[in-house]
Amino acid sequence: KQEVTQIPAALSVPEGENLVLNCSFTDSAIYNLQWFRQDPGKGLTSLLLIQSSQREQTSGRLNASLDKSSGRSTLYIAASQPGDSATYLCAVRSSGNTPLVFGKGTRLSVIA
Amino acid sequence: NAGVMQNPRHLVRRRGQEARLRCSPMKGHSHVYWYRQLPEEGLKFMVYLQKENIIDESGMPKERFSAEFPKEGPSILRIQQVVRGDSAAYFCASSPTRGYYGYTFGSGTRLTVV
Repeated sequence: KQEVTQIPAALSVPEGENLVLNCSFTDSAIYNLQWFRQDPGKGLTSLLLIQSSQREQTSGRLNASLDKSSGRSTLYIAASQPGDSATYLCAVRSSGNTPLVFGKGTRLSVIA
Repeated sequence: NAGVMQNPRHLVRRRGQEARLRCSPMKGHSHVYWYRQLPEEGLKFMVYLQKENIIDESGMPKERFSAEFPKEGPSILRIQQVVRGDSAAYFCASSPTRGYYGYTFGSGTRLTVV
């Protein structure tokens, strides 16, 4: 059974800092991995999707990497801004037929 | 192209009543997934449906919960005889195929049982 862990659970950084959020999963045989952002009381916004054959994906100030062999993914946020404050969720799909399994998220606060 | 539409956004039910949550997937998406998010918990998978078929309901409670995705109209998650423990945010996601392109989520329905 796939399990996804995100560390740290919460993170507070000053504006402008570069930061890394970590995601680990127990079964390295994954189909794809998706990073989401969730604002308080809101839905989920997809940030990046990495297929199992890919090593990383980039979108603006965000970069996500995938290392299947070690069961890890990282989300790198460059030059953080107060508007980046949200909960970041990592989710893994083990096959095309199985649903996404979510971590509990990292709650990020960027202080101006 | 509208995203995944969920309604209502907020729903209050008294214990013992029925709750019906609706989800219209993105245009062109034929796969629908329901998740539940309890306070301070992660998102938990409930059920995966295609048109007129339940593909995977391994996360659905055995009693009081049911889901459908008819040929016409939105997907419905139905909770009968609600209890306080059903209070949660319920999210629906859709995808165009079995998952290669990832999921698109709706804004959720926040159910409060009083």
